[in-house]
Amino acid sequence: GAVVSQHPSWVICKSGTSVKIECRSLDFQATTMFWYRQFPKQSLMLMATSNEGSKATYEQGVEKDKFLINHASLTLSTLTVTSAHPEDSSFYICSAIDPSYEQYFGPGTRLTVT
Amino acid sequence: GNSVTQMEGPVTLSEEAFLTINCTYTATGYPSLFWYVQYPGEGLQLLLKATKADDKGSNKGFEATYRKETTSFHLEKGSVQVSDSAVYFCALRGSGGYNKLIFGAGTRLAVHP
Repeated sequence: GAVVSQHPSWVICKSGTSVKIECRSLDFQATTMFWYRQFPKQSLMLMATSNEGSKATYEQGVEKDKFLINHASLTLSTLTVTSAHPEDSSFYICSAIDPSYEQYFGPGTRLTVT
Repeated sequence: GNSVTQMEGPVTLSEEAFLTINCTYTATGYPSLFWYVQYPGEGLQLLLKATKADDKGSNKGFEATYRKETTSFHLEKGSVQVSDSAVYFCALRGSGGYNKLIFGAGTRLAVHP
């Protein structure tokens, strides 16, 4: 099946710094990718829809200036958490849609802000 | 709007017990229904899916039948194993083109030897 990778798998950063998370579709082109956030023992919360070559569509309540999304190619979307704070610590999961509309999830990135 | 409701966990079972995790949905039209599994520290993996009424999705001994009359998609397995311990998410995707996945809250399953 199709594979979606994320990098890094975990990251620790200091409060006030920015961190970038990459999401790649390894064997298919994805015009649409999604970014989710998951708190411990909770479900996935959709943060934004990332469309190649255009601006991301953010869900209500998600700060677009804090969570910068760039989908510059058909196989790569990036999420940058700017000026991170401890409350941004979470598990971030991306997914990608293949040409047949199947959705594949990445393994997730655990962000810890100290 | 579309929504998914699944039974609260945790569900604790002994190995070889029968598993049922209930999932009901609210949606207009004809959504597609999914079960995803998340093992500790990992992302989501598609377990099974059904795209129309009366379809049965199955994989790795798990089954779920798309019941439009009861708007349900309950997950079942006849004999669970310790390795099935994970969090299970029911989800739906609306009909007509591509729509976002709507997830249930997740049900944690713990299987003991």
